[in-house]
Formats: sequence, C-alpha cells, structure tokens
Amino acid sequence: DAMVIQNPRYQVTQFGKPVTLSCSQTLNHNVMYWYQQKSSQAPKLLFHYYDKDFNNEADTPDNFQSRRPNTSFCFLDIRSPGLGDAAMYLCATSREQYSNQPQHFGDGTRLSIL
Amino acid sequence: AQSVTQPDIHITVSEGASLELRCNYSYGATPYLFWYVQSPGQGLQLLLKYFSGDTLVQGIKGFEAEFKRSQSSFNLRKPSVHWSDAAEYFCAVGAGGNQFYFGTGTSLTVIP
Repeated sequence: DAMVIQNPRYQVTQFGKPVTLSCSQTLNHNVMYWYQQKSSQAPKLLFHYYDKDFNNEADTPDNFQSRRPNTSFCFLDIRSPGLGDAAMYLCATSREQYSNQPQHFGDGTRLSIL
Repeated sequence: AQSVTQPDIHITVSEGASLELRCNYSYGATPYLFWYVQSPGQGLQLLLKYFSGDTLVQGIKGFEAEFKRSQSSFNLRKPSVHWSDAAEYFCAVGAGGNQFYFGTGTSLTVIP
C-alpha cells in the first residue's frame, strides 16, 4: 500500500544535541509537510515543500530546518533541541499544495528531550 | 481572519449511542472542509471531505457530515458509536490558495 512512513517512531535526545527525523512516501506526491503537535493540541504547521520549493511558516523557530533530497524523502532537523521542543512530529503529503487537497499523514515521531 | 472552532473539547458517549461532533468555520466563501481522526499514538486519517454538491457527505467507518452554509457548520455524525471510535477528531478548513487550518480537536471517550 502507498503510504507515508516516519522513522523512528520514538526518539530520545539530550538537551542541545542535534536530532534528525525522517519521512518517506510512496504516494509520489508533490507536497510534503512537517507538523509539530503537542499534547491535546492541533497540529501546527512548521513548513512544507512543494517539489523542491521550501516554504517556512512565519513563526517556525530558526532551530528547525528541513531537507528534501528527492521526491520520496524529507527530513526535519532540530539543531539545538530545547525542552519545549518535546512533541509529536507529523509528516504529511498531498498531491498539490492547494487547500482542497486531502493530506496523508504518517504515524508520527514522538520526540523526548532529556 | 479565517478560523475553525470545535466547541467541544471532550465528549463522552455510550457504545451504541449516536454521536455528533460540532465544527464551525469563519470564511467569506465556501471553504473546503475535512474531518480527520487521530487514534492515540498515530497520525491523522482522513474521514471525509466536502468541496461542493450534496451537502451530506459519507465517509469511512460509518461517519457522515453535513455542510450547512447558513450556520457555517460542518458537523460530524455517526448513528451508533463503537468502542474503537475513541480518538481525537479534528475538523479542518481549506480557505483558498494554500491556506489550511485545523480546529483544536474534540476528544471522544466511549464507555461500555
């Protein structure tokens, strides 16, 4: 089945130690999104790629970066994680970047900061 | 500004009872409307969507939703809830261009 896969499911890192989360998709969708979701809250969009074009949300901290080396893969890099960055990180894809496009989500990576 | 409101933070229903989850939006035109479900520890799954046409849309898992323009609402319903429906439910609105907004979610508990 075509899907969105996130690795790892659980990630523990130390305060200030860089961490990378990965996402892959077999849907061949043009758009890939990264969301941050804290407990009992809605997902918050961090940024998205339309093909190779990177679109950063205005309030996304500089500490968060992303890479999309090809259509299938997208990475979220957190350069110096703080305690406030502990959250579930969700990757999603859509065929196009228009607001009528359903998004397909992975199961997320839960990030803990020690 | 566009917004999505889910007035109920948490709802508890008995298994077999009917369910209605509320969603209201604020947008000048007819938006694109979605309901997603998130089971614990998992990502979001699309239940159904509305773009145009028949205002009553059917989704997966026995869910349906009705678009009411006069009330700016898109409420989610299910006639008979199963224990496996316990989850977080998010209403979402596509407001043109690439503007997309999630509501704050409604947590559903199902009691035997």
